[in-house]
Order: sequence, then C-alpha cells, then structure tokens
Amino acid sequence: GAGVSQTPSNKVTEKGKYVELRCDPISGHTALYWYRQSLGQGPEFLIYFQGTGAADDSGLPNDRFFAVRPEGSVSTLKIQRTERGDSAVYLCASSPQLAEGDEQFFGPGTRLTVL
Amino acid sequence: DQQVKQNSPSLSVQEGRISILNCDYTNSMFDYFLWYKKYPAEGPTFLISISSIKDKNEDGRFTVFLNKSAKHLSLHIVPSQPGDSAVYFCAGLMDSNYQLIWGAGTKLIIKP
Repeated sequence: GAGVSQTPSNKVTEKGKYVELRCDPISGHTALYWYRQSLGQGPEFLIYFQGTGAADDSGLPNDRFFAVRPEGSVSTLKIQRTERGDSAVYLCASSPQLAEGDEQFFGPGTRLTVL
Repeated sequence: DQQVKQNSPSLSVQEGRISILNCDYTNSMFDYFLWYKKYPAEGPTFLISISSIKDKNEDGRFTVFLNKSAKHLSLHIVPSQPGDSAVYFCAGLMDSNYQLIWGAGTKLIIKP
C-alpha cells in the first residue's frame, strides 16, 4: 500500500513569507508526527497528533509554527513569517496508534529553504 | 543538551565484515531505543528496537545490544552488505511520551 507522502518535496521561499507543508499519512493510521531535520543533525520532534487533536506540541519552536489535522487524516504544518533559521527538511511520520515502541513510518520529507 | 549521542559521524567497513554502530544516552528515563536507517532523499525507515528491560534483540543480520549501566547501545550488522550503506540513527523513547529523541546519525559506508 501507499506510504506516507509529503508535498511539496522542495519549497523555496523568501524571509517573512508564509508556507504550508502537507502530509498524507498511511490510511488508517491514527497517530501523526512532525519532525524537522537540520543539516548534519538528527530529526527534532515538533508535534504529534492522535486523531484530530494535537496530543503534544511541546516541540514547536515558537508561535510562528502551527499544525492542524482537521479530519484526522491529512495534516498541514504552517509557518508564518519564515526566517532563514527555519530552513530544514520537515519530516512527517505516522503510526497505527499512539503506542510506545510502535514503529513510526516516515515520509520523504519537504526540504524548506528560506532565502 | 544532547540526550542521545552518536559520536562517530562516519564508519567505513569492508563488505562481509561486521559493522558496529554506537550510541550513548544521558537520560535514564528512556524506555525504548530504536534504530532507523536513512538513504539520501528518503525518510528514515525503522530497522530494529530494544526495550530497556532487555539487553539484546536480534533480527536477521541485525543485533542491538543495550548496556544500561553504561548508558550505551550498539547496532551490529553481520555480514555487512553494500545495500547497508546509509545513515543510521539511534533514537530513544520515554514512557508515555511519543517523541523520538534522535542522535545525529552515523554514515555507514560498505566497501566492496
């Protein structure tokens, strides 16, 4: 079956602009996670959802970042007033449910470049 | 403050030999450790995990060892194959907290 998909694969924007990054999880997966990965580092947790609700958004760096999952499937990560430091690969993952030790299935990521 | 550390940015191993990837952690609250493998332009894929109550888990060519007293784990791949060339990430997970805490990764290169 289809894996996690993310669009766009690449996004170049100018400082101060607004961007939206989309994640389509594996069908039937109730848990969805967002991470971002800067060059030379491991992924860093941002937020995860159980169904439609954000179960933990403690990793969002500031209030410019916001994520939604209105119907419990597709999720959108929104970044306002982008800064050059936001440049990174944004990874989305899903799992059948929120369960410790459950494998998280990752999408290929969206590479965001803020000029 | 890095809770999960992979101190070797890269490792080169001859095909057929054993690859040993190391990971250290500082937080004793981790309940699970997971290894992920990543190819360029792809997302990480799950490889193997270990619960903190175990000291070893094996799956085919892959074995993960956990030394809780040393706060150290290692991934052994034997025999190493060219398709194993990738970046390997170690990650920790705490009880009832579903955030994966990741190391910086080790790039494994398998030489023919």
